[in-house]
Amino acid sequence: QSALTQPASVSGSPGQSITISCTGTSSDVGSYNLVSWYQQHPGKAPKLMIYEGSKRPSGVSNRFSGSKSGNTASLTISGLQAEDEADYYCCSYAGGDRVFGGGTKLTVL
Amino acid sequence: QVQLQESGPGLVTPSQTLSLTCTVSGVSISSGSYYWSWIRQPAGKGLEWIGRIYTSGSTNYNPSLKSRVTISVDTSKNQFSLKLSSVTAADTAVYYCARDEVFGDYVDYWGQGTLVTVSS
Repeated sequence: QSALTQPASVSGSPGQSITISCTGTSSDVGSYNLVSWYQQHPGKAPKLMIYEGSKRPSGVSNRFSGSKSGNTASLTISGLQAEDEADYYCCSYAGGDRVFGGGTKLTVL
Repeated sequence: QVQLQESGPGLVTPSQTLSLTCTVSGVSISSGSYYWSWIRQPAGKGLEWIGRIYTSGSTNYNPSLKSRVTISVDTSKNQFSLKLSSVTAADTAVYYCARDEVFGDYVDYWGQGTLVTVSS
């Protein structure tokens, strides 16, 4: 069971859109529509942003969206805001187990 | 309002067993809709799934930790627990307990996390 692959960092200016990729295998991301995304600010617990690939929990801005193609899931944040600066982690069901991505640091310039 | 709170020693001696408890409030741990999980995060690093337990007592563990991990549940106290044996400095991390939605396989509630340091 290897960690899902995410870019170490991405950046964007306020108002722009960014996309964070999350690449797995046919044993996890590719086989199940059960990818979730979490936002983590420094010193805080992670917060659920997307579940089941593209669904948003109540209270999460519609600026956050998720998608999947093959073995790669993606998180897109549109209309970047300063408060979006955080670490983002993807996570996938893996046939009974669970695997996280290594995390992506989003910097809002 | 669902809340989870980790408790346990903040310092563990190498080769000993790390033991943490998560106290759940606002929902019965016996509810069949959820798993109860442990996740950890070394300082400056990413999240690592440790394992989870269903109310029936069935468990799933990270294969890389499976030989050292035991997760159990005490429904009478609305708590679940983690034991990690033969710890080393590499097990130093913030440990989170969390609630998993069974059907969507996502974590919807997290504890605040507790730092456990392995050191002599």
